[in-house]
This record gives sequence, C-alpha cells and structure tokens, in this order.
Amino acid sequence: LAKTTQPISMDSYEGQEVNITCSHNNIATNDYITWYQQFPSQGPRFIIQGYKTKVTNEVASLFIPADRKSSTLSLPRVSLSDTAVYYCLVGDKAAGNKLTFGGGTRVLVKP
Amino acid sequence: NAGVTQTPKFRILKIGQSMTLQCTQDMNHNYMYWYRQDPGMGLKLIYYSVGAGITDKGEVPNGYNVSRSTTEDFPLRLELAAPSQTSVYFCASSYGQPTTNEKLFFGSGTQLSVL
Repeated sequence: LAKTTQPISMDSYEGQEVNITCSHNNIATNDYITWYQQFPSQGPRFIIQGYKTKVTNEVASLFIPADRKSSTLSLPRVSLSDTAVYYCLVGDKAAGNKLTFGGGTRVLVKP
Repeated sequence: NAGVTQTPKFRILKIGQSMTLQCTQDMNHNYMYWYRQDPGMGLKLIYYSVGAGITDKGEVPNGYNVSRSTTEDFPLRLELAAPSQTSVYFCASSYGQPTTNEKLFFGSGTQLSVL
C-alpha cells in the first residue's frame, strides 16, 4: 500500500515553473514532509522540508495545506539542470522507522 | 566532513560469489539505511538500523545481511550473488528519524553487476 502518490513524469521548458503534487492521506501528526532530488547515477539529495503552510529556500518552495494530506513542490524558472527525479517522503505510523520511498516524479526540462 | 562514503563504486560478481558493500559515515548519525535501485525504478529499502547493535529488515531483505557494530559503519553482505541482485546500491544516514525535521544524506552508490 503506497503511502505517497505522485505523478510519474512531467515535462517542462526552461524558464517555466514546475509544480509537483504529492498525496499523503495517512500522514502522521508529527511527521514532516521532505522532498529529495535525484540526478542520474547519483544518490538522492535533500531539497526542502516542511510541516505546514509554506516553506521557501534558495532552490524551491513547498506548499502544505491545512489538512496536510498533500503537498506541492514548486521549482521556479527551471533550467535544463533541474532534469531529475523528485521524491516526496513522509512517515508511516504502521511502518515505524521502515523508511520507504514512492516511485518519484521524473521531470524533464526541455530547451 | 566526508559525509556518507560507499565502497566500491563498481563491482562485477559471478553468480554464487559473495561480497560486502561498505558504508561509513562521519556525522555521528544514528539512523542508517540500505536501498537498491534497479534501472529506471525507485528506491527499495533492504535493511536499516536505528543505532549500533540494532538492525531490521526493509522491503526486500532476501539475499542480504547487515551488521551495525559501530555507529559509523553499516556494511551490506551478499552471500550468494544472483543476477536479480544486479542494481545500484545506496547507503543513507540521518541523525534522527528522517520523517521528523531531519534529513537523509546519501552516499554516491555502488553499481553491482552479477553475471
């Protein structure tokens, strides 16, 4: 049973904003929502994390509605180098420390 | 800080051989994880550890073993290599539980081929 649901892939063009929504209906009360980025042949790396409302850093913004059942990663003005797989990660009360990733969203930025 | 270091980067094994994938971190992290990633697919959890002396199975533990005798090291052992174990293996660590306000740090991976 998947804990998170994301689109499999998204295409965009340089300079556009990319928004990726992740559904996590069973998120635990104390859990944060974390997004990771993975380039080909590399390990994933942390890009942003939040608990509620909006978080922004130099790379992205994260929007979390009040019910916290979903979150949206926003990548402003993407470039070719933003082509990667993006994973949304939340906890699962039933799984405890068994930290599993969903399938991720493959973002392709075209010139 | 070196972060999470994995060795070797590449390895080719024959069917039935055994090997140990090394993972070490210098950040004094308590939580450590082993994932495998098949081509074009997501990450599958093999084993994890929440501290020295404590390990537990993930989603796909069959064919693998781990140990955690120190905080720094979390080696992954393949006893009888099979072609189905051809994959890229990633080790990750975090200080606290990654679903709280912590983050996972990943190594650069070990690409393993079993022929």
